[in-house]
Amino acid sequence: AQKVTQAQTEISVVEKEDVTLDCVYETRDTTYYLFWYKQPPSGELVFLIRRNSFDEQNEISGRYSWNFQKSTSSFNFTITASQVVDSAVYFCALSDNAGNMLTFGGGTRLMVKP
Amino acid sequence: EPEVTQTPSHQVTQMGQEVILRCVPISNHLYFYWYRQILGQKVEFLVSFYNNEISEKSEIFDDQFSVERPDGSNFTLKIRSTKLEDSAMYFCASSGRQGGGYEQYFGPGTRLTVT
Repeated sequence: AQKVTQAQTEISVVEKEDVTLDCVYETRDTTYYLFWYKQPPSGELVFLIRRNSFDEQNEISGRYSWNFQKSTSSFNFTITASQVVDSAVYFCALSDNAGNMLTFGGGTRLMVKP
Repeated sequence: EPEVTQTPSHQVTQMGQEVILRCVPISNHLYFYWYRQILGQKVEFLVSFYNNEISEKSEIFDDQFSVERPDGSNFTLKIRSTKLEDSAMYFCASSGRQGGGYEQYFGPGTRLTVT
């Protein structure tokens, strides 16, 4: 069975601070995919990134960066110089190779205060 | 940019009533999904659907639930006899290809309130 744990239920930072959202996953599959989604107050789910289990290279996209470490089964997400618009719930998710379902973590609510 | 749409945005129904939630996936997508999110909780998988058949379903997706693709564009989730605990946001998603490496595009959700 697959499982995703986001231990931080809520994080509060002041604008321009860096913040890291943790994600730990469990799977018996050798091929799997990891995702991050953003859920702003309006409620929709916005895709941010997808990584496969064979690609441990870290990725940077603007102020966002992701650190994938297979050795610790973690896929952490860092926002640099946070902004108020980053306030949202962020979900980490896991899919097996078949892709029939996404298993989501419990989410981390990020509040960025001006 | 193509997007998944869902109607209605908010549905209020009485316990025991049947509801149908509607989704229009992205037009060239073939793989469809329903998820739900009880208020303040995580997003949970309900069912995946391809080629007019259920590919996989979770234990939440019991006999009260059914899915259908009644025509070439719509994908529906039916709850036969709603319970209070069915109150949640229901998300539809679609994907152009099968496989964990392909993104599932989510709709904006339908908030179902059972009174």
